[in-house]
Amino acid sequence: DTAVSQTPKYLVTQMGNDKSIKCEQNLGHDTMYWYKQDSKKFLKIMFSYNNKELIINETVPNRFSPKSPDKAHLNLHINSLELGDSAVYFCASSQGGQGYNQPQHFGDGTRLSIL
Amino acid sequence: GNSVTQMEGPVTLSEEAFLTINCTYTATGYPSLFWYVQYPGEGLQLLLKATKADDKGSNKGFEATYRKETTSFHLEKGSVQVSDSAVYFCALVSLGGGSNYKLTFGKGTLLTVNP
Repeated sequence: DTAVSQTPKYLVTQMGNDKSIKCEQNLGHDTMYWYKQDSKKFLKIMFSYNNKELIINETVPNRFSPKSPDKAHLNLHINSLELGDSAVYFCASSQGGQGYNQPQHFGDGTRLSIL
Repeated sequence: GNSVTQMEGPVTLSEEAFLTINCTYTATGYPSLFWYVQYPGEGLQLLLKATKADDKGSNKGFEATYRKETTSFHLEKGSVQVSDSAVYFCALVSLGGGSNYKLTFGKGTLLTVNP
């Protein structure tokens, strides 16, 4: 059973397009995250939601908009894609609140390539 | 703010060699410390963790001890295998509350083990 699943696994598109990445977790966690990993493997948090409420919003262009319809889902929509958006995007989840030192569980990533 | 510094890679070892990957940190409050591993083409997985000073985390033959006096959490394994080839990330979450609840990662260390 996949704990954190994100789709699509690969996304190849042209500059200027709008695209979405979906993430779902079946672990019953209340906190979900989006990370961006660049070509040098550096990981940077973008957003975090706890019980559908945005709790972390790092310095990310407004073209990136997360949406959490319920606590098991966190989607990422990107408008007007740019070359610099090419990266691997990881979704993760954890049990937050008082259990904030609980490990995060990661999806397998979505490799976004902008042509 | 919080930061994690880990040794630059890549690290290349022969099978059965001893592994050390150094990690030091700067944090407010009392951080919990983690090592995550990323195998090729996959998301990150928790390898081990330690939540207070002098705790030792261990898993799959890997160990790391939380050293508050040297603000370090070095990863060690006595005898590496080819299957250990991966990128290793040191990370922390500070218990200080507010924005410190986010996980801060080091830049990752690529380990390649040759037969």
